[in-house]
Amino acid sequence: DVKVTQSSRYLVKRTGEKVFLECVQDMDHENMFWYRQDPGLGLRLIYFSYDVKMKEKGDIPEGYSVSREKKERFSLILESASTNQTSMYLCASRFLSTEAFFGQGTRLTVV
Amino acid sequence: AQRVTQPEKLLSVFKGAPVELKCNYSYSGSPELFWYVQYSRQRLQLLLRHISRESIKGFTADLNKGETSFHLKKPFAQEEDSAMYYCALSGRGGGSNYKLTFGKGTLLTVNP
Repeated sequence: DVKVTQSSRYLVKRTGEKVFLECVQDMDHENMFWYRQDPGLGLRLIYFSYDVKMKEKGDIPEGYSVSREKKERFSLILESASTNQTSMYLCASRFLSTEAFFGQGTRLTVV
Repeated sequence: AQRVTQPEKLLSVFKGAPVELKCNYSYSGSPELFWYVQYSRQRLQLLLRHISRESIKGFTADLNKGETSFHLKKPFAQEEDSAMYYCALSGRGGGSNYKLTFGKGTLLTVNP
């Protein structure tokens, strides 16, 4: 079974803090993704990576950056958290163009 | 740019009634289309993909390239089908083509 694990289920951070969301997959997938999920807006792609050190902006990259130093790990960084970044964050990985596997999600609240 | 449109945010049907969740897409090449489902308090998971042409849990979806649609259908809805459904699109051919784009989702409620 493919496992995609996000480091935290719930996080509460203060405005202006630097926030790291970590995601690890155990199936040697090249492609990894970060989405945010908001009611009525669906899943919006923040960034994705198709190889180590390769990244591409998604639809809403502003205020976020990513890091992929190792194949199994994809980190999402909020440089200076703001209240409008309060959301559910989902990480996913996939092999080539096949099925994507999702983590359990991190519910981030910025106060 | 690739785009997925799900025109219905909410869909409510009675048990045993047919269900159709609509999905339209925009993509310049040959796409891979998927339906994902999220049951309450569970992680998002694949329901079906167009290339496999399978029926999963009684659901089917046909890719219509002429209408750029990939509607999800089930002839007789069950209460356990109540969930959020997302249509998704990806390209082929490697690298950045594997970007996976989702629609806004349709919340299906099947009433007893």
